[in-house]
Amino acid sequence: AQTVTQSQPEMSVQEAETVTLSCTYDTSESDYYLFWYKQPPSRQMILVIRQEAYKQQNATENRFSVNFQKAAKSFSLKISDSQLGDAAMYFCAYRSSYNNNDMRFGAGTRLTVKP
Amino acid sequence: ETGVTQTPRHLVMGMTNKKSLKCEQHLGHNAMYWYKQSAKKPLELMFVYNFKEQTENNSVPSRFSPECPNSSHLFLHLHTLQPEDSALYLCASSHRGSSGLYNEQFFGPGTRLTVL
Repeated sequence: AQTVTQSQPEMSVQEAETVTLSCTYDTSESDYYLFWYKQPPSRQMILVIRQEAYKQQNATENRFSVNFQKAAKSFSLKISDSQLGDAAMYFCAYRSSYNNNDMRFGAGTRLTVKP
Repeated sequence: ETGVTQTPRHLVMGMTNKKSLKCEQHLGHNAMYWYKQSAKKPLELMFVYNFKEQTENNSVPSRFSPECPNSSHLFLHLHTLQPEDSALYLCASSHRGSSGLYNEQFFGPGTRLTVL
């Protein structure tokens, strides 16, 4: 079974600085999708960025980018020019292409942004 | 606002009560999900419905009973719960494309459940 590990329960970053959140996963599949979700204190989880495993190019969405290392099974999220509104729980998630109803989540990283 | 709503937002119930959680999606999606989110643990998938048919039940105790009357509504009926069932219950939906693959999931705000 696929597992997703986020080794940093908490992270802190100064406003306007850059922070990287780590995520590793375990799978024997070659085709899959990876996601980063953000859950602010209001609790509604929203999608930040997604990466298809067959794409070598790292996904980017404005200030958010990923470093996808397929061989290492690593999928880190970089937040540039951090803003106070970035403070939230961040969840890394894996979804198989074969059973794509089943999305596996990591335990989350709580990001604090200091003014 | 993701287009997925959940009611109630907070619920406190005794172990002998019966209550229901409601989820509604306004996105035209054809798959809906229930997750349990406990502190410092990964989200746990509970149930999956595709086109109103239940396709996944991840060994969830029978005191949790899902119902999906149509593609837009999903319920989770609760009875004789235990204190360890206290958690945030999240509903999500997604759309199955013509390729047969499901796109990313959109989440509701959750129901914070406390079982006394």
